Amino acid sequence: GAVVSQHPSRVICKSGTSVKIECRSLDFQATTMFWYRQFPKQSLMLMATSNEGSKATYEQGVEKDKFLINHASLTLSTLTVTSAHPEDSSFYICSARDRSSGSNQPQHFGDGTRLSIL
Amino acid sequence: QKEVEQDPGPLSVPEGAIVSLNCTYSNSAFQYFMWYRQYSRKGPELLMYTYSSGNKEDGRFTAQVDKSSKYISLFIRDSQPSDSATYLCAITLGYNNNDMRFGAGTRLTVKP
Repeated sequence: GAVVSQHPSRVICKSGTSVKIECRSLDFQATTMFWYRQFPKQSLMLMATSNEGSKATYEQGVEKDKFLINHASLTLSTLTVTSAHPEDSSFYICSARDRSSGSNQPQHFGDGTRLSIL
Repeated sequence: QKEVEQDPGPLSVPEGAIVSLNCTYSNSAFQYFMWYRQYSRKGPELLMYTYSSGNKEDGRFTAQVDKSSKYISLFIRDSQPSDSATYLCAITLGYNNNDMRFGAGTRLTVKP
């Protein structure tokens, strides 16, 4: 089955640090990847859609300068939380859709990154 | 009104029970329906995926969609402790699947 790998799984760092999270599709190519944020006991909220070779599309209210997204290849997208502050602490999850399976196929999720800013 | 409503629970059942999880949605334009299972501190795992009204069965899991009522369900038969997780319903308009909307998730505990 489609496997999405996300790294790191856990980050604890000081306020003001920039943190990079990687999302890789291991056995398929993903033209589009998605970044979500999930607070405790709440559902996933889409932050941005990452398209290979072009700029990401951000959801309303998400600061593009704060959450930098790079989708340099068909198997890798990165999310960088710049100058992170405690309010950025959350569970960040990426997902990807198999490029070869058509546009109406579901997204496959990574295992998430738990970010804690002290 | 939220686009997708899902009772967050928690729901606790004994092992072997039939579990019924439900979501309602507000926009009849949504055409594709999914159920994801999420274990603690893990990403969601796709369980079921359907785009038509009616039932779809996969082992102990049955997904049911009623587009006329805008109501979707997931049934788990012979529930096991390993089924303990949060279950998320998700819907999309369908064409490009980029605008997936998730329910809040129902936390299920199956007690041995």
